Amino acid sequence: EVQLVESGGGLVQPGGSLRLSCVASGFTFSSYWMSWVRQAPGKGLEWVANIKEDGSEKYSVDSVKGRFTISRDNAKNSLYLQMNSLRAEDTAVYYCARGKSTSYWGQGTPVTVSS
Amino acid sequence: DVVMTQSPLSLPVTLGQPASISCRSSQSLLHSDGNTYLNWFQQRPGQSPRRLIYKVSNGDSGVPDRFSGSGSGTDFTLKISRVEAEDVGVYYCMQGTHWPPFTFGQGTKLEIK
Repeated sequence: EVQLVESGGGLVQPGGSLRLSCVASGFTFSSYWMSWVRQAPGKGLEWVANIKEDGSEKYSVDSVKGRFTISRDNAKNSLYLQMNSLRAEDTAVYYCARGKSTSYWGQGTPVTVSS
Repeated sequence: DVVMTQSPLSLPVTLGQPASISCRSSQSLLHSDGNTYLNWFQQRPGQSPRRLIYKVSNGDSGVPDRFSGSGSGTDFTLKISRVEAEDVGVYYCMQGTHWPPFTFGQGTKLEIK
């Protein structure tokens, strides 16, 4: 059974940093692109970033470029999102998802940026 | 960026009746590889999104066959043949042809009348 478990969310002040993690199981992690998608409170879904199987290609939405970094550790079946210079508009539930087409999703980890 | 526009945004449906959601893209989603990367997702209240349909019309494992997807180019439709109580939630389309970024529709909230 495919499982994706996110962690690392929490309350952070504007300008602060957080590192989200996602541990995968039930499939060969190193064979899939991985994605992060977020959902602001009461809002729709927004794709954030994705990373190729071997980490050699990374892409992100313009609003997080230069602030967020996606990475992975295939030996640990783990996906990460380093979030720096956080803004109030980054407040959302962050989901880890398998593949470019996001075939499976985790339960999400909430991030709140507020003073 | 490709803009995805869903309609309606709110969809009250009587149990056992059909439902249909439209999704239109600002440009054709036909990829040069011959595929059309249009997915549909369901998000039940309090839950994570779940993919229902990929590449326009392919049902994901475990998805009831009352859900079907169709369309081409810029016009796509998700149909539920007979709505059940467990279908309540928000439905999103997403394009994966012209990325980055991947883009989602605004969501359609299905409720029982």
